[in-house]
Amino acid sequence: DAGITQSPRYKITETGRQVTLMCHQTWSHSYMFWYRQDLGHGLRLIYYSAAADITDKGEVPDGYVVSRSKTENFPLTLESATRSQTSVYFCASSEGDRGRETQYFGPGTRLLVL
Amino acid sequence: AQSVTQLGSHVSVSEGALVLLRCNYSSSVPPYLFWYVQYPNQGLQLLLKYTSAATLVKGINGFEAEFKKSETSFHLTKPSAHMSDAAEYFCAVSGNNAGNMLTFGGGTRLMVKP
Repeated sequence: DAGITQSPRYKITETGRQVTLMCHQTWSHSYMFWYRQDLGHGLRLIYYSAAADITDKGEVPDGYVVSRSKTENFPLTLESATRSQTSVYFCASSEGDRGRETQYFGPGTRLLVL
Repeated sequence: AQSVTQLGSHVSVSEGALVLLRCNYSSSVPPYLFWYVQYPNQGLQLLLKYTSAATLVKGINGFEAEFKKSETSFHLTKPSAHMSDAAEYFCAVSGNNAGNMLTFGGGTRLMVKP
């Protein structure tokens, strides 16, 4: 199906483990984003990518790594998970690089770090 | 720099009553403004957006919002609430800049009583 998908939808892991969250979009959008959603904070930008092999930090990048070797994929890795990284993670994409562009969101990954 | 304040983390209305969700923003450049809705266990989807055309913007599901520059506000309204409107609503601002960085408010959970 066309759109933006995330996997896994739910993940439980332990402190110190490496975790990778996957994001895939079928629109060939140039921009892709990773957000985390925490109660009272709305969504906060972790990393974004303007194109394949171009990534940049957002508001809360510490403890996360991203890569984008293909336009359609934008994985997010927690190199050594901490309890403070328990959150809901959303991937999004948009067509252009101007502020007016709509972002399209995936269904989210709910991550619990024990 | 930009920020969004949503007044009221929870709003409760009766079915058929007016819905008013408040959003105030700050932006150092002319803003683009968005309202997104999130249903339980889903990603965010766009309700409507202001991109410097008409100040009264109509969106999906009967929602509308008015951009008021003098008040730095972009409040969301719907004349008559329906049970299916129960969700979390996020206001977001983006400047007229390359990179399309959205800044989200903390969200307002709308509850609709029968």
